[in-house]
Amino acid sequence: GENVEQHPSTLSVQEGDSAVIKCTYSDSASNYFPWYKQELGKGSQLIIDIRSNVGEKKDQRIAVTLNKTAKHFSLHITETQPEDSAVYFCAAPRITGANSKLTFGKGITLSVRP
Amino acid sequence: NAGVTQTPKFQVLKTGQSMTLQCAQDMNHNSMYWYRQDPGMGLRLIYYSASEGTTDKGEVPNGYNVSRLNKREFSLRLESAAPSQTSVYFCASTRGGELFFGEGSRLTVL
Repeated sequence: GENVEQHPSTLSVQEGDSAVIKCTYSDSASNYFPWYKQELGKGSQLIIDIRSNVGEKKDQRIAVTLNKTAKHFSLHITETQPEDSAVYFCAAPRITGANSKLTFGKGITLSVRP
Repeated sequence: NAGVTQTPKFQVLKTGQSMTLQCAQDMNHNSMYWYRQDPGMGLRLIYYSASEGTTDKGEVPNGYNVSRLNKREFSLRLESAAPSQTSVYFCASTRGGELFFGEGSRLTVL
């Protein structure tokens, strides 16, 4: 099965700075890598995902990069804002091809200081 | 559009009591899931249902049972609650790989 790890576990940045969160996975056959955001008291929401046939994907202030050789992918948030403060989870499929059956990382708490 | 709705939002149980967490989705999704979230552990899959009438075990199924009542509803039952089942439980449904989560049910077992 897949093993997913996130580093660091907490991150604090100044408003306007960039934040980078890294995630490593173990199964080289994995081909789908989503990032979920969980705001306080809410369920998680998909914010961006990437498939293994591309190296980078961007959506406004958010981007995800994938390094298949090193088996890691990273979430990049530019021009951080207080509303970016949340817990972020990376994930990878537990079973190759079953993209909705995910193994999640332990989560990272991002704090954006005003 | 309500999305995924879970009840109750909070519950306190004594060891050995039973209870059922209810989940309903109005997005006509085939697949539904139950996760638990514990501090420092992330989200762990308890059970899932790929379609109406089918259920399968996830990573941490022990101590739980599920019922896929119809396409909309997927319930999670604790037959004899234990303190180790103190957690926040999330129901989710999926379309095209994207999971849509409910707001969670916080369960405390004393």
